[in-house]
Amino acid sequence: EDQVTQSPEALRLQEGESSSLNCSYTVSGLRGLFWYRQDPGKGPEFLFTLYSAGEEKEKERLKATLTKKESFLHITAPKPEDSATYLCAVRNAGGTSYGKLTFGQGTILTVHP
Amino acid sequence: NAGVTQTPKFQVLKTGQSMTLQCAQDMNHEYMSWYRQDPGMGLRLIHYSVGAGITDQGEVPNGYNVSRSTTEDFPLRLLSAAPSQTSVYFCASSSWTGPGSQPQHFGDGTRLSIL
Repeated sequence: EDQVTQSPEALRLQEGESSSLNCSYTVSGLRGLFWYRQDPGKGPEFLFTLYSAGEEKEKERLKATLTKKESFLHITAPKPEDSATYLCAVRNAGGTSYGKLTFGQGTILTVHP
Repeated sequence: NAGVTQTPKFQVLKTGQSMTLQCAQDMNHEYMSWYRQDPGMGLRLIHYSVGAGITDQGEVPNGYNVSRSTTEDFPLRLLSAAPSQTSVYFCASSSWTGPGSQPQHFGDGTRLSIL
């Protein structure tokens, strides 16, 4: 069974204090690892897809990396508007071409001014 | 560009009542799915569809029914509401997830309370 574990559950940072969020996973054939951002009362918003170990993606202050067992979301010099819940999900190869998406429980990030 | 639209945004039901949560997307996506989100549980897949007339069960399908008669719409039906179905429900869609797996786009959810 596919599993995704995110840590820490909650992270409080001061504005400008860089840090990383972790996503550890086990999956039967990785088709993609996804990072989403979720604001209160909203649906998850897509950030990145990573497909293979060693791959990196960047967007503004966020950088996602991938190994064979985990992914990191690095946040450089965060601002209060980066406060949100960050979700990690994996899609397995499955028996068909669409596979199954498994989500972690998320990391609640709070950035104080 | 509306994306994925869910209605209603909030709903309160009594135990035993039935209702339909609506989901529509305007991106011509083949793949649509329903998730529920509960504190400490993450998003869990209820049902999904890979095209009109084709649906399948996800991780937690019991008590829910789906059908897909058009590409745009994918309603979720609660047959006889139970307090355990109190949750936030999200609909998502994506283009065909072939070898290059495409991300899912989510609606803003329906917050459902069962009394």
